[in-house]
This record gives sequence, C-alpha cells and structure tokens, in this order.
Amino acid sequence: DQQVKQNSPSLSVQEGRISILNCDYTNSMFDYFLWYKKYPAEGPTFLISISSIKDKNEDGRFTVFLNKSAKHLSLHIVPSQPGDSAVYFCAASATPITPLVFGKGTRLSVIA
Amino acid sequence: SAVISQKPSRDICQRGTSLTIQCQVDSQVTMMFWYRQQPGQSLTLIATANQGSEATYESGFVIDKFPISRPNLTFSTLTVSNMSPEDSSIYLCSWVRGAERETQYFGPGTRLLVL
Repeated sequence: DQQVKQNSPSLSVQEGRISILNCDYTNSMFDYFLWYKKYPAEGPTFLISISSIKDKNEDGRFTVFLNKSAKHLSLHIVPSQPGDSAVYFCAASATPITPLVFGKGTRLSVIA
Repeated sequence: SAVISQKPSRDICQRGTSLTIQCQVDSQVTMMFWYRQQPGQSLTLIATANQGSEATYESGFVIDKFPISRPNLTFSTLTVSNMSPEDSSIYLCSWVRGAERETQYFGPGTRLLVL
C-alpha cells in the first residue's frame, strides 16, 4: 500500500512556463513533507520542505503548497529552466526525525 | 554538505553471491540509513545504521539478508547476501548531520544487476 503517491510518472514543460508536480498521501500522521530532486547517476538532493503548520513555503523559483484536508501537496517551479530537468521525489514523515516515505517520482523535462 | 563516496558505483553479480557496498562520509554524522530503489519504484528504507550497535531494520528487511555495519561515525557497509535477480536495484546510502530532516543527504547510489 503506497502511502505517498506521485501519479504522474513524467511531465514536459516549455522553458519559462510553470511546472506543477503533484503528490498525494494517505497517512494522516504525516506532518512533514519534502521534495527531492535527482539527476542521473547522482543521489537525491533536498529541494524544499513544508510542515503542517504552514500551507505554503517559498524558496526562489520553488514553492510548495500543502492542503492537509485533501492530503495533497504540490511543487511549483516558476519559471522553469532546462536545468530543472530531473526526477522529483515527494517524501513525507510523521516528524522531522522519523524515516522518510517516498513517492515513485516524477520525471520533469523542461524543453528549451 | 559532507562529501560522500559510495563504492562500487555499479556491479553485475551472479545469483547466490554476496556484495558489500561501502559508504564513506568525510565528516561525522549522527544518523546513517540505507535505501533501495527497485526499478519503477520509490526509495524504500532498508534500515538505520546505528554506530556501535545492531542496525534497526524496517518491515520486510532482515539482518541475514542485508547485514549492516557501522564501526564509526563516518563509515557504513551494506551487504546484499545470497543475491537473486529480485535484488537488482539501486542501493543508496543516506545520512543526517543534525536533528532536522533538511540535512538528510544521499550518496550517488550503487546500481546492482543480478543475473
């Protein structure tokens, strides 16, 4: 039973446009959510996080939105750049120190 | 962030053999983990590598199949024992330097193919 779901395995976006990556979760105990970015032959790199006390967190071109009632979060990248092309993983945990549960990832391709 | 090396980066192994993967971090870290990513699947936590004591395994993973060592605060090994083709995966070392999850880093991974 997948507790963290990324239902879109891939997404293609034009350079300069907005990329929206979605993530749904089923475990109501999850209280802490992170996005990781992964390039080929490299390990995942932490991108941005959000805890349940917030519904939005912004860092430069990256914004994460959390809708706890819908058990849904999304990552917005504006404007998208070709260097953003990577696999993006959504991850969740009940607290900042419990093991992360990951989604399967979404492969983002930003086309110049 | 700390510099990490993970060896080997990839390997092709025969069924029934064992492979030991090494993870070396260039500074002391509080927690180290081992994850697996099977083809088309998410990253799954295998175990938490505890310094000086036995690893803590997640449901579905056992010490006999995935023995783990962590002799000090900068080094850990994961052994995949008696391998079968189902063990073909990317194995990733991960660590946390402090108390906050933002500082969880990952190594580049070991791509394993079992024939």
